[in-house]
Parts: sequence; C-alpha cells; structure tokens
Amino acid sequence: DGGITQSPKYLFRKEGQNVTLSCEQNLNHDAMYWYRQDPGQGLRLIYYSQIVNDFQKGDIAEGYSVSREKKESFPLTVTSAQKNPTAFYLCASSDRDRLVNEQFFGPGTRLTVL
Amino acid sequence: QKEVEQNSGPLSVPEGAIASLNCTYSDRGSQSFFWYRQYSGKSPELIMSIYSNGDKEDGRFTAQLNKASQYVSLLIRDSQPSDSATYLCAVKRGSWGKLQFGAGTQVVVTP
Repeated sequence: DGGITQSPKYLFRKEGQNVTLSCEQNLNHDAMYWYRQDPGQGLRLIYYSQIVNDFQKGDIAEGYSVSREKKESFPLTVTSAQKNPTAFYLCASSDRDRLVNEQFFGPGTRLTVL
Repeated sequence: QKEVEQNSGPLSVPEGAIASLNCTYSDRGSQSFFWYRQYSGKSPELIMSIYSNGDKEDGRFTAQLNKASQYVSLLIRDSQPSDSATYLCAVKRGSWGKLQFGAGTQVVVTP
C-alpha cells in the first residue's frame, strides 16, 4: 500500500525535552512538508523540502528543526526552544513541478507537553 | 486581512440537501485551489482540486472557481451524515507546493 506514515500517534513531552516526530512516505514523492494545527485553526507550515538534502523554513519554523537525508523520510524535531509545542502535527508529501501539486497527508502525531 | 478566509460555521444542512461552502483568497496570483475534508481527530483528506475558472464535478462534489472575484466554493449534493466534518480550503502559493490554509468550515448534516 502506498502512503504516508507518522509515528508515534501520541507523544508526551516534558518541558525542556527535545522530541522527534517520524514521517515516512512510499509514494516516491520528491516534496515533503510539516504542518502544525491548533484547535479551531487551519494548518500552518513549519518546514518543507523539495529534494533530498535541501529544506526551507515555513511560516513558523522557530523552535523546530528537520533533516532530509533520504527521499522517503522527513523527521521533525521539536526543540525545547518551542514555547508552545502542544498541537497536532501533520506531515504531507507531493510531486514536484506540477501545476496542481496535490498534497497528501499522513495520520498525524498529537504532541502534548506535560 | 487573512490570506484565505472561510466561514467557521457550523453549517447545518438537512440530509439530502445541498451544502454550499465558500472560500475567498487575497493573492490574485494564486493558481491552484484545494478542498480537504477533516473528520474530528483525523488528518485532512483531499477531496477536490481545481485550477481553471468554472466548475469541476466529482461524484457528489462540485468545486467552483472564480479567479476574477477571488473565490472558490464547494457544493456537496445529497448531503449525508457521513459528510459531517470540517472542510478546509487551501490555496497554492508561489511557483510550487506551498499551501495556505483557511481555518475551515464545520458542516453538520442532520438526519
């Protein structure tokens, strides 16, 4: 089955800890994205990557870091510098260089700071 | 002004009726537009994409785009209780990939 997987589904973090959220896709998509969703709000872009070994900051990158060492993987680290990390984190992927550029989402990781 | 605006709802629709959702955007250069459905506690699911003026139909869903007026709409015909969800409008920014999302419209289909 082709798709996007995220793990863990739920994650609890103590203040001051860094945590890493996993995102893997087997759709052979070049581009991958991380979004954050807060209750009652739309999705906000954290980081995105068009190709391996390249990534760009989105609208709310402060307190987050990413890597793109493999085409199928795009992990997100939520650092202790992120002041309000409790949110629903969504990973997405898409083809590059298409007019429509549809993005498909993984099931998400719900992060709670204790 | 928000880049992508939607009425938050809830939009209450009787079963079997047409649900009409609207979305306006501020960037006149936007090229591609998307509607996602999101059930409570789940991730968004792409249901429609459109990039040419006019209508695009897919089953019970019709997306309508009017670039001159900078709005995109979604019609859901013969609404079912399973259509109860939040519908997110997304607009592609720039030359590739980056999407700007609205806050979503909650739809409640009542039997």
